[in-house]
Amino acid sequence: QSVLTQPPSVSGAPGQRVTISCTGTSSDIGAGNDVHWYQQVPGTAPRLLIHTNKNRPSGVPDRFSASKSDISASLAITGLQAEDEADYYCQSYDSSLGGRYVFGTGTRVTVL
Amino acid sequence: EVQLLESGGGMVQPGGSLRLSCAGSGFTFSKYSMTWVRQTPGKGLDWVSDISGSGGRTYYADSVKGRFTISRDNSKNTLYLHMDSLRVEDTAVYYCAKDGISSSGGYELDYWGQGTLVTVSS
Repeated sequence: QSVLTQPPSVSGAPGQRVTISCTGTSSDIGAGNDVHWYQQVPGTAPRLLIHTNKNRPSGVPDRFSASKSDISASLAITGLQAEDEADYYCQSYDSSLGGRYVFGTGTRVTVL
Repeated sequence: EVQLLESGGGMVQPGGSLRLSCAGSGFTFSKYSMTWVRQTPGKGLDWVSDISGSGGRTYYADSVKGRFTISRDNSKNTLYLHMDSLRVEDTAVYYCAKDGISSSGGYELDYWGQGTLVTVSS
């Protein structure tokens, strides 16, 4: 099964904007499958942050936004806050034979 | 309120077996596909297996195919993962998660359990 590629880490000062990229292939994101994003604070379970490319579930602050294009997607955090320090994962669907859910490699966001 | 509560993790020797359970509440269990995702300590998330709402369709990652069996009992609102022939590399926190939209799966995972740790070691 394939894996979506993310940068290992990004960092920013409080109030700044950071972005996280998520690159797939023609079998997953490039096949037109939706991208979803999860936040995982160390020691806790993942939490759905963005679904269906750009939609925020109830309770997710609007400083989180996302987009998708061709074989990649990106997550942006504007007005970075200390509580945003966590790991972030993208996820899509693998349309190839035997594939199903495919996750990104994960990105650690550090608030300086 | 949607809740997922895993149980059954623990330490087992290589070649051994273990059964994980995930009890769901706060939603109509049979209407949604359910998924097991694992996370090796310090590493990323890996899809393990998922099952349709009715239980009629099951899917497995190549790494566990033939060794793990996913099932569900909709009368008990419970998801299971039976793991046989366990290997050291199966050591991970195992999460159950609910599909956000459908009984067929393949969409976002909108609720996750707290995870249960499986350690395979001699």
